Amino acid sequence: QKEVEQDPGPLSVPEGAIVSLNCTYSNSAFQYFMWYRQYSRKGPELLMYTYSSGNKEDGRFTAQVDKSSKYISLFIRDSQPSDSATYLCAQAGSYQLTFGKGTKLSVIP
Amino acid sequence: DAGVTQSPTHLIKTRGQHVTLRCSPISGHKSVSWYQQVLGQGPQFIFQYYEKEERGRGNFPDRFSARQFPNYSSELNVNALLLGDSALYLCASSLAAGVEQPQHFGDGTRLSIL
Repeated sequence: QKEVEQDPGPLSVPEGAIVSLNCTYSNSAFQYFMWYRQYSRKGPELLMYTYSSGNKEDGRFTAQVDKSSKYISLFIRDSQPSDSATYLCAQAGSYQLTFGKGTKLSVIP
Repeated sequence: DAGVTQSPTHLIKTRGQHVTLRCSPISGHKSVSWYQQVLGQGPQFIFQYYEKEERGRGNFPDRFSARQFPNYSSELNVNALLLGDSALYLCASSLAAGVEQPQHFGDGTRLSIL
C-alpha cells in the first residue's frame, strides 16, 4: 500500500480558533479513512471514521474526503486547550492502516 | 467496558535479548493488529491476526513474530533485539478483519533497548 502524507507541524493556535488538519493519499483503491488523536504517552484514540467522498460531522469535529484531489481533512471548531495532542490520519487497506506522520497541535489558552 | 489492554507498559532490554509483549482485545473483538511507532512518526503495521490466523504482515524482519490465542488475546515476540527496535508497540483490535472495520488501540508498550 502506498503512502499517506501529513504535514507534521507543529501547529499552534489560540483557544477558540478553527483548526484545519490535512493529509494526502496516493492509493485510490481504498476509500476508508480515519482520524486518530494521540495524547502524550497514550495510544491513538479513534475520532472520526469516513468512507469515500463527502463530509462527516461529530460535535466540534468535521472530517472531509475529496476523492478527486486525494485529500482528507479534519476541522476542529471552537478549539480547546484539551484538544492539544497529535492528530494522525490513516487510510485503511486490505488488513492494515497506513498512517501519516501526525500533526502536533497546541491550543493556547 | 474495558478497552484494549497491553502489558507490560514499559520494558527495558539489552541488545540481543528476546521480548514478549501481550495484548487483550476489546470484548467481542476477534481481530488483533500490531503496530510499531517510533518517536515522531506514525504507527507502522507489523501483523494482523483474525481467528488465530495471520491475515497480513508488514515489512518487518523475521525476528518479529506473533500469535493469537483461542480467547483472541495476542502476543508479539521480537528476537535478537537491536537498538532500532526501541519504540512504542501498539496493539489494536476490531470486530473482524476487513477494510471497513475500525481499529481501536491500546496505550502500548514502550520498549527501550540499551
